[in-house]
Amino acid sequence: DAKTTQPTSMDCAEGRAANLPCNHSTISGNEYVYWYRQIHSQGPQYIIHGLKNNETNEMASLIITEDRKSSTLILPHATLRDTAVYYCIVRDSWGKLQFGAGTQVVVTP
Amino acid sequence: EAGVAQSPRYKIIEKRQSVAFWCNPISGHATLYWYQQILGQGPKLLIQFQNNGVVDDSQLPKDRFSAERLKGVDSTLKIQPAKLEDSAVYLCASSEGGGAFYTFGSGTRLTVV
Repeated sequence: DAKTTQPTSMDCAEGRAANLPCNHSTISGNEYVYWYRQIHSQGPQYIIHGLKNNETNEMASLIITEDRKSSTLILPHATLRDTAVYYCIVRDSWGKLQFGAGTQVVVTP
Repeated sequence: EAGVAQSPRYKIIEKRQSVAFWCNPISGHATLYWYQQILGQGPKLLIQFQNNGVVDDSQLPKDRFSAERLKGVDSTLKIQPAKLEDSAVYLCASSEGGGAFYTFGSGTRLTVV
């Protein structure tokens, strides 16, 4: 499975966009990029996923570079409830979700 | 739709004792996963079930951990005997088929003293 690299932590001001980077330089052609987040004392929650094209849903946008070696999760208007650990995961079509350490995002007033 | 149910929410035991956790996945979800999450780390997959069969248990410490999903619905994870390093949150997740849209429960926080 391809591995991902994420910053350990980042801060974001409430109401501003939060841009969470993820490197996955060894990703192969059939592997998807998934993002989950984990709010304190809860289980991880699915956010979004993509293969090649950029994706957007009600929670976030996912921007994948053309060479697919990195991606960025965008939370357009961060709120205090977005404070969580965000996990970037590369998964092939048959694989399981293998979590790394993630990025601790703290949204401040 | 009801979420993934786990119990108990918290458990404190002494080392060398045994403990069991229960999980009831979302109705109709064929695939069930158990994860272990040690404080400050991401969840680590222990075992994956497809219906009542084990798909992957390569990271399950089989000398002390066991899991079953006898009727292809709810599942139990057991630790016997427990060690101090087993202190963690045990998360259960389910998905339709083998898809990656996992729904997680809130977990069971185990403290071994």
